[in-house]
Amino acid sequence: SQQGEEDPQALSIQEGENATMNCSYKTSINNLQWYRQNSGRGLVHLILIRSNEREKHSGRLRVTLDTSKKSSSLLITASRAADTASYFCATRGGSEKLVFGKGTKLTVNP
Amino acid sequence: SQTIHQWPATLVQPVGSPLSLECTVEGTSNPNLYWYRQAAGRGLQLLFYSVGIGQISSEVPQNLSASRPQDRQFILSSKKLLLSDSGFYLCADGDTQHGYTFGSGTRLTVV
Repeated sequence: SQQGEEDPQALSIQEGENATMNCSYKTSINNLQWYRQNSGRGLVHLILIRSNEREKHSGRLRVTLDTSKKSSSLLITASRAADTASYFCATRGGSEKLVFGKGTKLTVNP
Repeated sequence: SQTIHQWPATLVQPVGSPLSLECTVEGTSNPNLYWYRQAAGRGLQLLFYSVGIGQISSEVPQNLSASRPQDRQFILSSKKLLLSDSGFYLCADGDTQHGYTFGSGTRLTVV
């Protein structure tokens, strides 16, 4: 079953602009994770935010979590062409497994 | 840090043929292992996961099966492929508290 849903499905921006992607989920969580997937490759873990955290930073990435709204956002600042990829949020789907959303496809134009 | 090896990278198989995809893990012991499938432009669908040797949990009933003959080896199989089995197959290890490490995937095209 789908737990997280990313929004928008696709996003196209110019290099240097900020990119914001959102994730909504349905049930209570103890953490939420964001992954990046370059075309034709495996997913790469970017950042994990726990349910008792509201904001987390990693380099140019900023993740927020609002458990009252069951939503999270991923902000990439000063985007680069190399940030072009699909971005997925993931939450625990019961037992020891993660459930992924359908992803946001980000295109950063040089 | 652990490394996930998947092979082959690409595979073209006729309908009705068998399938065997292998995933091996380096740099960790007793990992939780996962097989996901990703259809073109879609999200990830969990197929199987394993928390130990011989322990397989199936998420989606279909003509695929999985086995874990060794601690760091996870195999995805089919006796007879269907057109609908085409997709990008990803192996991963990890846990829900720290995140997953993914392999580079196998692109399967059933013709």
